Amino acid sequence: GENVEQHPSTLSVQEGDSAVIKCTYSDSASNYFPWYKQELGKRPQLIIDIRSNVGEKKDQRIAVTLNKTAKHFSLHITETQPEDSAVYFCAASINGRDDKIIFGKGTRLHILP
Amino acid sequence: DTAVSQTPKYLVTQMGNDKSIKCEQNLGHDTMYWYKQDSKKFLKIMFSYNNKELIINETVPNRFSPKSPDKAHLNLHINSLELGDSAVYFCASSQGRGRGYTFGSGTRLTVV
Repeated sequence: GENVEQHPSTLSVQEGDSAVIKCTYSDSASNYFPWYKQELGKRPQLIIDIRSNVGEKKDQRIAVTLNKTAKHFSLHITETQPEDSAVYFCAASINGRDDKIIFGKGTRLHILP
Repeated sequence: DTAVSQTPKYLVTQMGNDKSIKCEQNLGHDTMYWYKQDSKKFLKIMFSYNNKELIINETVPNRFSPKSPDKAHLNLHINSLELGDSAVYFCASSQGRGRGYTFGSGTRLTVV
């Protein structure tokens, strides 16, 4: 079955700097890659997603890139702000099968003042 | 008008008890899920129902039994609770076809 690896497990960046979280997946049939943000004590919330027919997607300060050949995908947050502090999860899914989403183990992002 | 609602939000119970968690979604989604989030924040899928039909049943002890009376509801019943069942349980729903989930607010289960 699908396996999603996520790095780093913890990331501290100075406010205003950029943060990058990287993930790899194992099943080449995966074609949908969502990213979730979970603030302390809250539910995971979808912040951005990308499909396998697209190499890059941007939404304001957040961007995702996908390299299907290498089975890598990454989340980039620019101009980080205190409210970006949270746990971020990458995930992979196969559209058209059971839509089961397999999550990475999460990255705890700390934005330092 | 919460999209995916779970009850209760907190549940503290003794080992050996039986408990249920309820989930309801008003998004008109066809597919609902149960995920377990352990103390290390790892989100692991347990079950999925599509329009009342069980489609995913991961390696979960058979003390856990999901029930979907209709496509808007997915409940989780747990028998003979053990200490290791302590976790946050999230319900989620999806329209499927490669779209993301909407999660409920979670149920923090503590077994003592």
